[in-house]
Amino acid sequence: EPEVTQTPSHQVTQMGQEVILRCVPISNHLYFYWYRQILGQKVEFLVSFYNNEISEKSEIFDDQFSVERPDGSNFTLKIRSTKLEDSAMYFCASSRISGAYEQYFGPGTRLTVT
Amino acid sequence: AQTVTQSQPEMSVQEAETVTLSCTYDTSESDYYLFWYKQPPSRQMILVIRQEAYKQQNATENRFSVNFQKAAKSFSLKISDSQLGDAAMYFCAYRRSKAGGTSYGKLTFGQGTILTVHP
Repeated sequence: EPEVTQTPSHQVTQMGQEVILRCVPISNHLYFYWYRQILGQKVEFLVSFYNNEISEKSEIFDDQFSVERPDGSNFTLKIRSTKLEDSAMYFCASSRISGAYEQYFGPGTRLTVT
Repeated sequence: AQTVTQSQPEMSVQEAETVTLSCTYDTSESDYYLFWYKQPPSRQMILVIRQEAYKQQNATENRFSVNFQKAAKSFSLKISDSQLGDAAMYFCAYRRSKAGGTSYGKLTFGQGTILTVHP
C-alpha cells in the first residue's frame, strides 16, 4: 500500500541553524501539507501546497519557513534559522484531491533544537 | 476561526467494553467535514472515520461509529468491543468545505484524548 515517507526520523540541530525536512508524498496525490505537534500539545496546521504554490498558511508559518517541491516526488519544509521553540514533531501529509478525502500522514520527523 | 475542543484529556475502558470520546467544535460554516484520527505510540496519524456535515446519517466503520449532532456542534466517537490495539491518542479534526471558502484541506485539530484499554 502506498504511504507517505519522511526523512530523517529524528533531527538534532543547534539554534540558528537551517534544517530541511523531507517528505515523499503518495505518487498520485496533488495536495501536500505540513503540520507540527509540540510534545504534549495538539497538532497544528502549518501550510498547504497545491499546483506548485502555497494555497494556505497559518500564523506559525512565518518568513523563517518555506516549502518546496523541487522535483516530481519530494516535498520539503525548510526552517532558515531554528529557534528552541521549533522543537516539535513535524508531519507531512498528502491527499489525492481536496474535499472529504483522506489526508495520509507520514510517520513524522522529530526536530530537536538545542 | 474554527475551534475544536476535546474536553476529556484521558479516558480508559476495559477490553471488550464500549467507550465514547467527546468532541465539540465551533464554526459559522454550514458545510464542512469532521474526522477522528488515531495516533498510536508510533506517532503516525491514522484516519479512523469521517463525517460530511450535509449527511444526517452517522458514519460507521466496523467497531467505530460517530454521534453527529450538527445543531449542538457535537461529534463524539464510540468504540465498541474495545481492543488493546485501540489504545492511542485520538484527535477530532475539522475541515472547511471547499465550497464554503478557499480551503485546500487545512485540518483543525482538538487537543486529543488519550485512550487506555485495560485487559
